[in-house]
Amino acid sequence: SQTIHQWPATLVQPVGSPLSLECTVEGTSNPNLYWYRQAAGRGLQLLFYSVGIGQISSEVPQNLSASRPQDRQFILSSKKLLLSDSGFYLCAWGQYTIYFGEGSWLTVV
Amino acid sequence: DQQVKQNSPSLSVQEGRISILNCDYTNSMFDYFLWYKKYPAEGPTFLISISSIKDKNEDGRFTVFLNKSAKHLSLHIVPSQPGDSAVYFCAARVPDSSYKLIFGSGTRLLVRP
Repeated sequence: SQTIHQWPATLVQPVGSPLSLECTVEGTSNPNLYWYRQAAGRGLQLLFYSVGIGQISSEVPQNLSASRPQDRQFILSSKKLLLSDSGFYLCAWGQYTIYFGEGSWLTVV
Repeated sequence: DQQVKQNSPSLSVQEGRISILNCDYTNSMFDYFLWYKKYPAEGPTFLISISSIKDKNEDGRFTVFLNKSAKHLSLHIVPSQPGDSAVYFCAARVPDSSYKLIFGSGTRLLVRP
């Protein structure tokens, strides 16, 4: 069966520091991969998606970037965090149905 | 411009009664609709889906109805249980190779014992 893991689960970072959130999927090959964010009291906003290794599409202009160095690995990064980057970040995979990881809470202070 | 809207931020229902969660969309090209359930600090879990060529899909206590002419879908939970208390998101799939989902803002359901 397929599983998805993302880490770290929680992190508190100072403004201006870098960020790296990692996500891996097991039990499937060449999945579509997604990064979503849920800001406090808001819905789920699609940040990036990838249909293959090295193929990244950005949905909204922002301070973040994504990379897919391997087929089942998806990384969300930032060189310098802003306060507005705080939120709950979710990695997901799938096609007809999308399945989510456990989420990562980011607080920028 | 919100393509998927959930206009009710919250809903409170007595245990055993029916819960009806609503969702509206604007893009007639969406080809697949899904409902997710989310607890705080957890990832959403898939609940039920419906293809745009159908008007009803049922799975146990959960039924999703789709009215394409009105661009409206609803999730019915019968009977409602306290464990159903969570935030429910509807989502619509973009019919291209990305298969990305556009989500509504969610409805918080509280089922009172």
